[in-house]
Amino acid sequence: DAGVIQSPRHEVTEMGQEVTLRCKPISGHNSLFWYRQTMMRGLELLIYFNNNVPIDDSGMPEDRFSAKMPNASFSTLKIQPSEPRDSAVYFCASSLYYGTGASVETQYFGPGTRLLVL
Amino acid sequence: KNQVEQSPQSLIILEGKNCTLQCNYTVSPFSNLRWYKQDTGRGPVSLTIMTFSENTKSNGRYTATLDADTKQSSLHITASQLSDSASYICVAREGFQKLVFGTGTRLLVSP
Repeated sequence: DAGVIQSPRHEVTEMGQEVTLRCKPISGHNSLFWYRQTMMRGLELLIYFNNNVPIDDSGMPEDRFSAKMPNASFSTLKIQPSEPRDSAVYFCASSLYYGTGASVETQYFGPGTRLLVL
Repeated sequence: KNQVEQSPQSLIILEGKNCTLQCNYTVSPFSNLRWYKQDTGRGPVSLTIMTFSENTKSNGRYTATLDADTKQSSLHITASQLSDSASYICVAREGFQKLVFGTGTRLLVSP
């Protein structure tokens, strides 16, 4: 299995530009998560999907951020317009969730996208 | 507020030595606790997952403990190797799927 695939791996853009990050989860997984990691705040959950449906987007910082999952094998995280404070590493993770509170499914992380907004 | 705190923030040990990393969490409702290893420039990789009914779990040279009463966990690394140099992140699961991450302990194993 190729694992979780993210693209691009690195992105440098100017303030005000639109940024689109892409993720392909592990085949057969039904849950997908977007995280942001910074030195100051560590890893933060932005949004997650179950069966392509957004379940919790309370971590999305503001309306400039949006995420979609049009099908089971693809998701995007879009920032429009981007700002310097959005500079971070963005991780996508996927898991196979069995739908119970006792589930101990493992989340598998992609390699991340390093975003720098100038 | 649900949160996870780790100590120390960073640690340097000699190759072959043991070390223990600490984690305190205040997450409700709590369902399980995980330790992840994150190498520089890569995504986190799961080491152990423990439910509230488990006290200890091992994965090779890594042994995690959990005290659900005091809301504390530890990760013990035995006979450290250079490849153990990484960040170790304690993660508590809130409810069904949401994970709350600590800011990690940066471990450097020196030859």
